[in-house]
Amino acid sequence: GQQVMQIPQYQHVQEGEDFTTYCNSSTTLSNIQWYKQRPGGHPVFLIQLVKSGEVKKQKRLTFQFGEAKKNSSLHITATQTTDVGTYFCAATSGTYKYIFGTGTRLKVLA
Amino acid sequence: GAVVSQHPSWVICKSGTSVKIECRSLDFQATTMFWYRQFPKQSLMLMATSNEGSKATYEQGVEKDKFLINHASLTLSTLTVTSAHPEDSSFYICSASLRTSGFEETQYFGPGTRLLVL
Repeated sequence: GQQVMQIPQYQHVQEGEDFTTYCNSSTTLSNIQWYKQRPGGHPVFLIQLVKSGEVKKQKRLTFQFGEAKKNSSLHITATQTTDVGTYFCAATSGTYKYIFGTGTRLKVLA
Repeated sequence: GAVVSQHPSWVICKSGTSVKIECRSLDFQATTMFWYRQFPKQSLMLMATSNEGSKATYEQGVEKDKFLINHASLTLSTLTVTSAHPEDSSFYICSASLRTSGFEETQYFGPGTRLLVL
């Protein structure tokens, strides 16, 4: 079945440093979503990418969809302690259901 | 807007009992509802997809007789864990899907239900 891998699994950064997580699929994706889950909480929708090569920004967060629509990235500029959590991508290949990536757990050291 | 509630948020039960979890979309009618399970420090694993008025579609390896899903209306889906055992202890999360336009479909997650089976 479809698998969505994310790297890195964990990332510890100093506050103010940048952070990037990558999402990779072996199959071409229809669209991809990104979620943030705080410790003890539930996933919160961040963004959806649909078009090849699409780039979207939300304040310090930049999301990118690869040209081949097989990978995506989330980049956070100048991390803050409030950015702590696990970031998941969720992808679909044309069906109604999304498969979640393995997640990247971010820890920000003050 | 787009709020999804789950009830209960915490359940502790004895082995062999059944537990029902409710998922409601409070301010919108959901195209589809999904049920996920998440073990500690792991990703969300899709268990089943639920559409109002039809049988749920279960993912491979998920026992449909063990995890009963009922989708009574466009705003309510229930998951019943029948004859729960300790290995069923997990974080169960539902999501409700809202299609805004074309291929734009956003999932809104409930707060989750933590199940502990003793």
